Amino acid sequence: EIVLTQSPGTLSLSPGERATLSCRASQSVSSSYLAWYQQKPGQAPRLLIYGASSRATGIPDRFSGSGSGTDFTLTISRLEPEDFAVYYCQQYGSSPPIFTFGPGTKVDIK
Amino acid sequence: QVQLVQSGAEVKKPGASVKVSCKASGYTFTSYDINWVRQATGQGLEWMGWMNPNSGNTGYAQKFQGRVTMTRNTSISTAYMELSSLRSEDTAVYYCARGSSYGDLDYWGQGTLVTVSS
Repeated sequence: EIVLTQSPGTLSLSPGERATLSCRASQSVSSSYLAWYQQKPGQAPRLLIYGASSRATGIPDRFSGSGSGTDFTLTISRLEPEDFAVYYCQQYGSSPPIFTFGPGTKVDIK
Repeated sequence: QVQLVQSGAEVKKPGASVKVSCKASGYTFTSYDINWVRQATGQGLEWMGWMNPNSGNTGYAQKFQGRVTMTRNTSISTAYMELSSLRSEDTAVYYCARGSSYGDLDYWGQGTLVTVSS
């Protein structure tokens, strides 16, 4: 079973700064099946990135994803006030179908 | 627009069962898997399993095997998740989410709080 590790656990930044979030897998993950979500308090998660680097519908271009193999990155180029939230990475294994989430990175206001 | 609307909050006693519904609209219900994910307060996301609404085929995370059942009623575009033998550790918000062909969960329900307490 693939285990996802996210770092840092908490990232304290100011609006306008760049955020770089890491997701590392215990074994190689298909880039096609690596996604990122944003979750705000009291809300359901929202899909940001799928296929490691494709933005979901309606997601601003300040969000970008990259990586392959075991190392993936979510970058927020300039933090907006509404971007302070928890971010989860997720991988999908197809045989059998299984979804695995990372523990999350909280981006909070410095 | 795609929407997943879940049933309301539940309070259950230990040992009981709970059944949560998830009504889909804005797309063809039988064309996408429905997944269930739960989140305890202050904790991360935990995937429970998937169901193919067309075939009724299911797959459950090992942790929930034997305790969870996922079903559907295609005539009303609704998926269900039933969890039995509830214990306090099952207190969480339960989400349904649509599975896309890219291996992600592209639309989510609003969540259903299930509280297990004596």
